[in-house]
Amino acid sequence: GQNIDQPTEMTATEGAIVQINCTYQTSGFNGLFWYQQHAGEAPTFLSYNVLDGLEEKGRFSSFLSRSKGYSYLLLKELQMKDSASYLCAGLDSNYQLIWGAGTKLIIKP
Amino acid sequence: ETGVTQTPRHLVMGMTNKKSLKCEQHLGHNAMYWYKQSAKKPLELMFVYSLEERVENNSVPSRFSPECPNSSHLFLHLHTLQPEDSALYLCASSQEVLAGEIGEQFFGPGTRLTVL
Repeated sequence: GQNIDQPTEMTATEGAIVQINCTYQTSGFNGLFWYQQHAGEAPTFLSYNVLDGLEEKGRFSSFLSRSKGYSYLLLKELQMKDSASYLCAGLDSNYQLIWGAGTKLIIKP
Repeated sequence: ETGVTQTPRHLVMGMTNKKSLKCEQHLGHNAMYWYKQSAKKPLELMFVYSLEERVENNSVPSRFSPECPNSSHLFLHLHTLQPEDSALYLCASSQEVLAGEIGEQFFGPGTRLTVL
């Protein structure tokens, strides 16, 4: 079956760095998305990786290893506004998004 | 103005009621989606419309009925729902670049549905 695994909850300190991991098992693979969702709000797009390696976008970076079925989202210089859920989603061979349950990130001062 | 809007934002209904959720996208996209989001569960894709034709059903119960009158509007008609249908219902849109591909999805704020 198809599956996306990510931790349920993580806690980090303001100003620090946090890495949110995601492992995926999909029927075929056409890329991996990361979305951010603040409580009570819509998910918003953060990144898309289809090739191996690290993609950097400001304080946020996303990494993909296709051979390991693994991705991570790296958040640097954490701010209180980064407290949110982070959703990992894999795109399978039918171009259908398979979603993880999300990682709730709590930032403490 | 936000790209994808949904109304109402909150809805409480009894099991015998009939109601409709509305979604409108202002991004010129050609694909629209309905998702169900329950606490601590992955997003569940319910329906996909591409170029106004339904292309995905995902075995959703018939008490949920989608309608896509044009590429900018999407409805979800609800009738005789069950308490377990209480959830956040999210609408999204994307631009399909080539057949079978999907681009980044833009989400609406969702409708928080409570079924009593």
